[in-house]
Amino acid sequence: DIQMTQSPSSVAASVGDRVTITCRASRTFNTWVAWYQQTPGKAPKLLIYAASSLHTGVPSRFSGSGSGTQYTLTISGLQPEDFATYYCLQANSFPYTFGQGTKVEIK
Amino acid sequence: EVQLVQSGAEVKKPGESLKISCKASGYSFTSHWIGWVRQMPGKGLEWMAIIYPGDSDASFDARYSPSFQGQVTVSVDKSNDTAYLQWSSLKASDTGMYYCGKTKTEGVAVAGIDYWGQGTLVTVSS
Repeated sequence: DIQMTQSPSSVAASVGDRVTITCRASRTFNTWVAWYQQTPGKAPKLLIYAASSLHTGVPSRFSGSGSGTQYTLTISGLQPEDFATYYCLQANSFPYTFGQGTKVEIK
Repeated sequence: EVQLVQSGAEVKKPGESLKISCKASGYSFTSHWIGWVRQMPGKGLEWMAIIYPGDSDASFDARYSPSFQGQVTVSVDKSNDTAYLQWSSLKASDTGMYYCGKTKTEGVAVAGIDYWGQGTLVTVSS
């Protein structure tokens, strides 16, 4: 199984800040990483798929990058509605696996 | 509009059986894998299983993550565009929120879940 180690587990930031979240895979693969946003009591929402493709309707302040074993989600210009928990997912090989999550909190 | 509507919250006792549903609409049900994801209280997301309805009348392709193999069963009713997740004997540790989701397909590859159900809360308590 591919393990996804996500960091940091939490980050405190202010509106307008740039936030970067990283997932490191236990072995190398390409492309099939997705990023999700989850707010309390709600289902996750897809932000990024295939490592760097923006899902329909997602603001352009969200971006994804990476290959091999390291993948990154960047939020450029944090907005109030972005305070949430973020998860990476590898769908390269089954069983698919999520990172542990990163909670973005208000500083 | 793609929608996945899940059945309502359940409260069960240990040892009881349960089947929850996920009704899909707004897309070709037989052309996309459906995933099931668990979220235990206050915890992260865990991928449980994935199922491909397919076009064949009788069969479907289902795969289970090791932690859930033998613990749950996934199925579909293609006549009703509905997926199911079932337990034969619930444990207290099955308490959690269960989400279904339509997977995004890129060619033959699965690129994750792009549309999610609202979740079904399952509480198992004596």
